[in-house]
Amino acid sequence: DSGVTQTPKHLITATGQRVTLRCSPRSGDLSVYWYQQSLDQGLQFLIQYYNGEERAKGNILERFSAQQFPDLHSELNLSSLELGDSALYFCASSVDKGLAADTQYFGPGTRLTVL
Amino acid sequence: GENVEQHPSTLSVQEGDSAVIKCTYSDSASNYFPWYKQELGKRPQLIIDIRSNVGEKKDQRIAVTLNKTAKHFSLHITETQPEDSAVYFCAASRRASKIIFGSGTRLSIRP
Repeated sequence: DSGVTQTPKHLITATGQRVTLRCSPRSGDLSVYWYQQSLDQGLQFLIQYYNGEERAKGNILERFSAQQFPDLHSELNLSSLELGDSALYFCASSVDKGLAADTQYFGPGTRLTVL
Repeated sequence: GENVEQHPSTLSVQEGDSAVIKCTYSDSASNYFPWYKQELGKRPQLIIDIRSNVGEKKDQRIAVTLNKTAKHFSLHITETQPEDSAVYFCAASRRASKIIFGSGTRLSIRP
């Protein structure tokens, strides 16, 4: 267990709908990252938040948005869902307090199925 | 832009033999290089990492080497076992910058 939690574990919805995925980082971690992994694909970086502020953006669609709350948990909102959005969505967290890059620890993921 | 190339994409080795996965990175400021193992449907799990001030690191059957000049780093697994079968991802990052993942290597261990 990495200490990163994600809910829900599975989500099945229809095209055009909107869903919210939730992530709680490890205790003490300030950074949260979101990744999308389609079937048999690599990890596509979506977005990073650090202590409530957006720090880095990857290939995140305009239909997707995220935020990090004062208690450091994060939510990823996916709207106007399409079939191609079906994927595993991972959250990861890291401390990011020192001078060096830190290890990212991954949550168990949310499997999104869009029908 | 920043890029990490990983080879091979698939690798099949006989149980007991060694497996080597190689990565190259483009950002010369990268200073942290983790390796993750991902089993089917599970989360990526860190198996070993190396920082740019070290050339080699070993943990039991797993070792990682780093050549900063050539911007190469490699994962070595010795005495492979069936439970080593998984997808392995290399990555490169630096302080206050997003981590860049390689495309993954699917490792299969033949009995």
